[in-house]
Amino acid sequence: QSVLTQPPSVSTAPGQKVTISCSGSGSNIGSNYVSWYQQLPGTAPKLLIYDNNKRPSGIPDRFSGSKSGTSATLGITGLQTGDEADYYCATWDSSLRGGVFGGGTKLSVL
Amino acid sequence: EVQLVQSGAEVKQPGESLKISCKGSGDTFTDYWIGWVRQMPGKGLEWMGLIYPRDSDTRYSPSFEGQVIISVDKSISTAYLQWRRVKASDTSIYYCARQVGNSWTEVHFDSWGQGTLVTVSS
Repeated sequence: QSVLTQPPSVSTAPGQKVTISCSGSGSNIGSNYVSWYQQLPGTAPKLLIYDNNKRPSGIPDRFSGSKSGTSATLGITGLQTGDEADYYCATWDSSLRGGVFGGGTKLSVL
Repeated sequence: EVQLVQSGAEVKQPGESLKISCKGSGDTFTDYWIGWVRQMPGKGLEWMGLIYPRDSDTRYSPSFEGQVIISVDKSISTAYLQWRRVKASDTSIYYCARQVGNSWTEVHFDSWGQGTLVTVSS
């Protein structure tokens, strides 16, 4: 069981918007940067968001990140079937003295 | 940009030793930490640890310390993940990834290897 809590699954229709939450505590999200990763089926994870809300070059602005207190949120607009994937949040945990990932959220675009 | 290419799938029996690799090319390999991430079958991602190729400084997750060994040969831009004796519970996909955060205490992996599937079965 991860110290970062994500909903196991979310679903929405093409063209719509979705948010994925990541809840932690003061020793992780509350005091460290959050990153988000997309893992398409059968592939390696891919960085979507770093430093809470920054996008690497090549990541469309349909993807956004935010953080407030001990929670972080990934937002995706204009959903496409190609966005169907597992999404993970990650951060450092100062108490555990290691990196931690959320349990992952499976996004379905129906 | 760096490209990370991992060694191929492995099938081992319990109790055997194993070493998998992650070779970097492109950007200077020694300038960034290299991390290892486990993904058990059908499960999520787990942060295992990091190594800094320039001086081999290594950090482990408490969950993996003593269970695996992370090493590097900077002369050939290759990081390694090693087990002295594998167990069935080590069956997983293992990813290496480049950590580019401002500090090693920041989870910010910008480039990932393709993953190495390790299967441990008698």
